[in-house]
Amino acid sequence: EIVLTQSPGTLSVSPGERATLSCRASQSLSSSYLAWYQQKPGQAPRLLIYGASSRATGIPDRFSGSGSGTDFTLTISRLEPEDFAVYYCQQYGRSPTWTFGQGTKVEIK
Amino acid sequence: EVQLVQSGTEVKKPGESLKISCEASGYTFSTYWIGWVRQMPGKGLEWMGMTYPGDSDTRYSPSLQGQVTISADKSISTAYLQWSSLKASDTAMYYCARRRGSWEYYFDYWGQGTLVTVSS
Repeated sequence: EIVLTQSPGTLSVSPGERATLSCRASQSLSSSYLAWYQQKPGQAPRLLIYGASSRATGIPDRFSGSGSGTDFTLTISRLEPEDFAVYYCQQYGRSPTWTFGQGTKVEIK
Repeated sequence: EVQLVQSGTEVKKPGESLKISCEASGYTFSTYWIGWVRQMPGKGLEWMGMTYPGDSDTRYSPSLQGQVTISADKSISTAYLQWSSLKASDTAMYYCARRRGSWEYYFDYWGQGTLVTVSS
């Protein structure tokens, strides 16, 4: 089973700054199998990025995903007030199974 | 517009049974996998399993196999998650989510969540 480890656990950033979130897999995985979600308090998760780098419908272009193999990154180029939330990476594994990372909280500095 | 609307908050006692629902609209229900995701209080997301309403093919997380039952009724575009005997550790928010396609590996639409509290 592939384990996803996200870092940092909490990221303190000022509005307008750049945020870089990491997701590391315990084994190499296809980029097609990696997605990112945003979750705000009291809300359901929302799909941001799929296939490691494709933005979901309606997602602003300040969100971008990159990476391959075992190392993936979500970048928010200029943080807006509505971007402060928890972010999860997710991977698909054969069986099939889906697993999520433990999340990175992006908070206002 | 695709929508997944879940049933409301539940408060149950240990040992009781429960079935929560997820009603889909805005797309052909039988041709997309529907999954369930658990979020325990203050914790992250955990995939529980999923079902394909078209042929009732159902897959479970190995860690939850046998503890819950996932099903769907395509005649009313509704998926279900059920327990036969709840435990306090089942207290969580439960989300249903649609898998984008059989050759896609992410969840594009989510329900609003159903909060289940199990307490004596």
